[in-house]
Amino acid sequence: AQTVTQSQPEMSVQEAETVTLSCTYDTSESDYYLFWYKQPPSRQMILVIRQEAYKQQNATENRFSVNFQKAAKSFSLKISDSQLGDAAMYFCAYISGSRLTFGEGTQLTVNP
Amino acid sequence: GAGVSQTPSNKVTEKGKYVELRCDPISGHTALYWYRQSLGQGPEFLIYFQGTGAADDSGLPNDRFFAVRPEGSVSTLKIQRTERGDSAVYLCASSLSSGKNAGELFFGEGSRLTVL
Repeated sequence: AQTVTQSQPEMSVQEAETVTLSCTYDTSESDYYLFWYKQPPSRQMILVIRQEAYKQQNATENRFSVNFQKAAKSFSLKISDSQLGDAAMYFCAYISGSRLTFGEGTQLTVNP
Repeated sequence: GAGVSQTPSNKVTEKGKYVELRCDPISGHTALYWYRQSLGQGPEFLIYFQGTGAADDSGLPNDRFFAVRPEGSVSTLKIQRTERGDSAVYLCASSLSSGKNAGELFFGEGSRLTVL
């Protein structure tokens, strides 16, 4: 069974600074996708960024980028120039078939 | 509608009662998913529909839980004889397709169920 682990229950960052959220996963599959989702207090999960396992190049979406280390099964999220609106719960997720498996989440606080 | 709509937003019920939670996916999305999120945890998969049929219901915890999607659009999650441990946020998501591309799920705001 696939598992996703986020070892940082909480993280904080100063506004305009950079923060990195960690994620590791376990799988025997070679073809899969990885995602970071953001969940604000409204409860709605919002896709932040996705990475296809067969692509070596790290995905980037504006201020959000990932460090994907396939051999180490590591998938961290870097948020640059943090903004107050980035404060939320962040979930790392994995999909191989049709089932999306989530980690436990990291609560990010952005301090003004 | 523009997004995934879930009703009710909040539901408080008594132990032993029957509950229905509704999900209206994005128009044209053939895949629909139900997840359960307990306090302080990540969402856990319950069931996935492709069209009208349940393609994977292996996440349903027991036979008190059942879900339908009779016309391939709106889905209802049904919980019989509710227990306090069923208290959670129930999230619905939809996507254009299934498989690995299903990772581009669009989520609703969830239904918070509280069983007293």
